Amino acid sequence: NAGVTQTPKFQVLKTGQSMTLQCAQDMNHNSMYWYRQDPGMGLRLIYYSASEGTTDKGEVPNGYNVSRLNKREFSLRLESAAPSQTSVYFCASSDWGTSGSHEQFFGPGTRLTVL
Amino acid sequence: GENVEQHPSTLSVQEGDSAVIKCTYSDSASNYFPWYKQELGKRPQLIIDIRSNVGEKKDQRIAVTLNKTAKHFSLHITETQPEDSAVYFCAASLNNAGNMLTFGGGTRLMVKP
Repeated sequence: NAGVTQTPKFQVLKTGQSMTLQCAQDMNHNSMYWYRQDPGMGLRLIYYSASEGTTDKGEVPNGYNVSRLNKREFSLRLESAAPSQTSVYFCASSDWGTSGSHEQFFGPGTRLTVL
Repeated sequence: GENVEQHPSTLSVQEGDSAVIKCTYSDSASNYFPWYKQELGKRPQLIIDIRSNVGEKKDQRIAVTLNKTAKHFSLHITETQPEDSAVYFCAASLNNAGNMLTFGGGTRLMVKP
C-alpha cells in the first residue's frame, strides 16, 4: 500500500496563477483533510471531507477550494495564488466511523512557493 | 473555536534524560488529544493519543497525561535517545472522530548524545 500520496512535491507559482494539489489514499478511509504548515505555527486545517460527497471548511479556508472526487481522491485548488499562501501543504486521511481509530495518516507534503 | 497552546517551543536534553512537553486547550468540550512526531523534512506521524475518559496512557517510553479540569495534557518521554530528536505537535478535537484537529505550535526536541 502506498498510503497517502500527493502531487506535486514542489511547485513555484507567480502571484495570480492557479493550481491544483492532488491527493489520493489507498486505505479505503472515509475522511480526508488538507492542512498547511507554516514555520512556528503548527498545522492548520484548511478543508476536510468527512465522507465522500461532503466537504467542510476548517480553520483557514479563504483562498482555497476543494473537491472530493471520489472516496480515494481529494484535491485542493488555489484559484489566484498569493505570497501568503507560500507554505507546505499536507493531505491526510483517517478511518473515522468504521474501525474506531482516529489516527490521521499524512502524505509527504507539497512545498509551494508563491512569488 | 478551539485554541491549543504548546510549551516549550524548543527543548534540549541529554541522552537518557526525560522530556516533558505541555499543552493547554480552551474548549472544555474537546475529547480527543493526539500527539504527532515530525522528523526533519518528513510527514507528521501519530505516536500516542488519549481520549477524555482516560487520565493517562503509556506506550513503552512514551506516556500522555490528561487533566480535564485544568484543560491541559502532557507528553512524557523517558530515557530519551538521539532518534527522539524531532518536532512534536499536540492537538485537540471537539469531535470523537478527530475531524477538526487543532494543533499546537510544536516543540523542537533535541537529544544530545
